[in-house]
Amino acid sequence: KQEVTQIPAALSVPEGENLVLNCSFTDSAIYNLQWFRQDPGKGLTSLLLIQSSQREQTSGRLNASLDKSSGRSTLYIAASQPGDSATYLCAVRPTNFGNEKLTFGTGTRLTIIP
Amino acid sequence: DAGVIQSPRHEVTEMGQEVTLRCKPISGHDYLFWYRQTMMRGLELLIYFNNNVPIDDSGMPEDRFSAKMPNASFSTLKIQPSEPRDSAVYFCASSQSIGANEQFFGPGTRLTVL
Repeated sequence: KQEVTQIPAALSVPEGENLVLNCSFTDSAIYNLQWFRQDPGKGLTSLLLIQSSQREQTSGRLNASLDKSSGRSTLYIAASQPGDSATYLCAVRPTNFGNEKLTFGTGTRLTIIP
Repeated sequence: DAGVIQSPRHEVTEMGQEVTLRCKPISGHDYLFWYRQTMMRGLELLIYFNNNVPIDDSGMPEDRFSAKMPNASFSTLKIQPSEPRDSAVYFCASSQSIGANEQFFGPGTRLTVL
C-alpha cells in the first residue's frame, strides 16, 4: 500500500528566503506526482505535476523535482513571500492503467514571516 | 472556464437528516472524484467516476453514503442518515484522460452534523 509522508508538518521562514518542502513515497511505481497548495478554508490548487519520466518541473518561483528510484520529491520555493503561506500537499498516482486514485501526503503548513 | 463548482459551500444539519452535496465538473473532463478531508485522516478518496460510470467506490465509508453521476456535468454525494462523525469538508475534483490527468479541485462543502 502506497504511503506518502511530508516532513516537517509545519515550517516558518522569514520573507525572502528560499525553502524546500519534502515529499516521500514508499512505492516507486508511480505514474506522476502532483503538488497542491491549500489556503485555509479553501480547496486545493494544483501547482505542478511531474510525470514519472521527468526529473523536474518549473513554474515561476516554484520548482518541483522527482527522484522516483529513491521515492522522493521536493518543492523549491524561491524568494518566499507572505502570500506563499498555505498548506502544501503532494499526491502520487499509481502506474496501473485506468487507476486514477491519488494518495495524498498529510501536508506541510508553511508560514512566511514578513 | 469556471472551474469545478460545488454546492452548497456550507451545510449544517442535525443527526439523522439526509444531506446532498452537488458538483459540476469542468466541461470536457471525463473523470470526477469525491474526497473527504478531516483533521484526523487527511484527504481520502471516497469514489470516482469515468464517463459517468463509478469505477472505484472502495473509499465510501458505509452504506449511508451514495454517489451518482446522471450526466457528464453533474454529480451528487448523498448521506442518509447523517451522523456527527460525517462532519468534514467534502471536495469534488475532475480531470481528463487525455494528457497529464491533472486533477482540479472545487472549493469544497463544509458539512457539520449536530
